[in-house]
Amino acid sequence: QQQVKQSPQSLIVQKGGISIINCAYENTAFDYFPWYQQFPGKGPALLIAIRPDVSEKKEGRFTISFNKSAKQFSLHIMDSQPGDSATYFCAARNPLAGGTSYGKLTFGQGTILTVHP
Amino acid sequence: DAMVIQNPRYQVTQFGKPVTLSCSQTLNHNVMYWYQQKSSQAPKLLFHYYDKDFNNEADTPDNFQSRRPNTSFCFLDIRSPGLGDAAMYLCATRAAPGTGVGANVLTFGAGSRLTVL
Repeated sequence: QQQVKQSPQSLIVQKGGISIINCAYENTAFDYFPWYQQFPGKGPALLIAIRPDVSEKKEGRFTISFNKSAKQFSLHIMDSQPGDSATYFCAARNPLAGGTSYGKLTFGQGTILTVHP
Repeated sequence: DAMVIQNPRYQVTQFGKPVTLSCSQTLNHNVMYWYQQKSSQAPKLLFHYYDKDFNNEADTPDNFQSRRPNTSFCFLDIRSPGLGDAAMYLCATRAAPGTGVGANVLTFGAGSRLTVL
């Protein structure tokens, strides 16, 4: 129930195209859904995040779509650029209040995005 | 400026030879996490501290220990590294709830890559 399933494992997109990465979860107690971007040899960096009471959030070329009833959320990268080539992780957070799992993030398996020039 | 600093960035050790990885933060965050990330996999939580309150994940091997002598520093000790412990070890921090946006953001260090010969 703590799992977050992410797909696809890898994605190749042409420059200017749209990259779409999907995630699904089971635990309805999750209260925050961030996406992290990780370049080789670096730690993950927060890209964009959404709360479950919002259906969409957009920041620049990055958009999260959230479907609470389906327990799914996705990342859309518009006008994909070669500099976007990285590994993307979705995650889901345990509530901040109470319990030893305080604020714990469960990560999806990751998607390796390659954007060809 | 780096806010979560991990040392060393690269560590090579021999099978069974103890290793200590360090993490320091300038964010004054209450919560610190240690994640293990193996090649092409999602980060896996080993344990976390909320101030000095230590929380161990149920499946974290006894071979892994941690110390947090003060707010700024946290250490990961691997008592007898095996070949299966070769991985990137990521430290991350978060502010306590009620402290604003910092409570939502998990800030990662660049990681320490451990090689076991």
